[in-house]
Amino acid sequence: GENVEQHPSTLSVQEGDSAVIKCTYSDSASNYFPWYKQELGKRPQLIIDIRSNVGEKKDQRIAVTLNKTAKHFSLHITETQPEDSAVYFCAAPQRNTGRRALTFGSGTRLQVQP
Amino acid sequence: DSGVTQTPKHLITATGQRVTLRCSPRSGDLSVYWYQQSLDQGLQFLIQYYNGEERAKGNILERFSAQQFPDLHSELNLSSLELGDSALYFCASSVDSGDGETQYFGPGTRLLVL
Repeated sequence: GENVEQHPSTLSVQEGDSAVIKCTYSDSASNYFPWYKQELGKRPQLIIDIRSNVGEKKDQRIAVTLNKTAKHFSLHITETQPEDSAVYFCAAPQRNTGRRALTFGSGTRLQVQP
Repeated sequence: DSGVTQTPKHLITATGQRVTLRCSPRSGDLSVYWYQQSLDQGLQFLIQYYNGEERAKGNILERFSAQQFPDLHSELNLSSLELGDSALYFCASSVDSGDGETQYFGPGTRLLVL
């Protein structure tokens, strides 16, 4: 199946700084890469996604970049705020399910210090 | 609010027992996915149904089963429960069943097996 590796596992930044989380995937045929934010005890919430026909997508303070050659994609959060503190998961389609289900990275706990 | 609903929110039961978790997808979504989230295994895909039929299977134990009903709600049945089954169980839904479908998660059911 798909293997998705995510780094770092924890990230602490000062309010107003930028945060970057990186993921690598193994299935070169993967074409969809979502990012989810999960607050403690809550559901994973889709914050942004990217498909393989573009290299970058931006939504206000959040952006995702995709490098298909290197098989990695990254989440960039600018001007971080305390409410950005959460666990962030990257994901990619799971090959052994016909790419229907998602394989998730192990998560990054982001702490934004006020 | 993603539009996906799950009941119950919390469930406490004993080893050896059987429980049923329920999920209603977003209006118009035909596909339902079940995921298990535990501290040591992260978010793991269990099974997917599309319009009443099983479409993909992940690391689902034989003690677990699921189905999707004509009104598109889904139930996940967990039997002969063990301590290690304690986890958050999420369902997600998407419009279709293809490669790279956007999935929206429900609030989850927290299961505690004592």
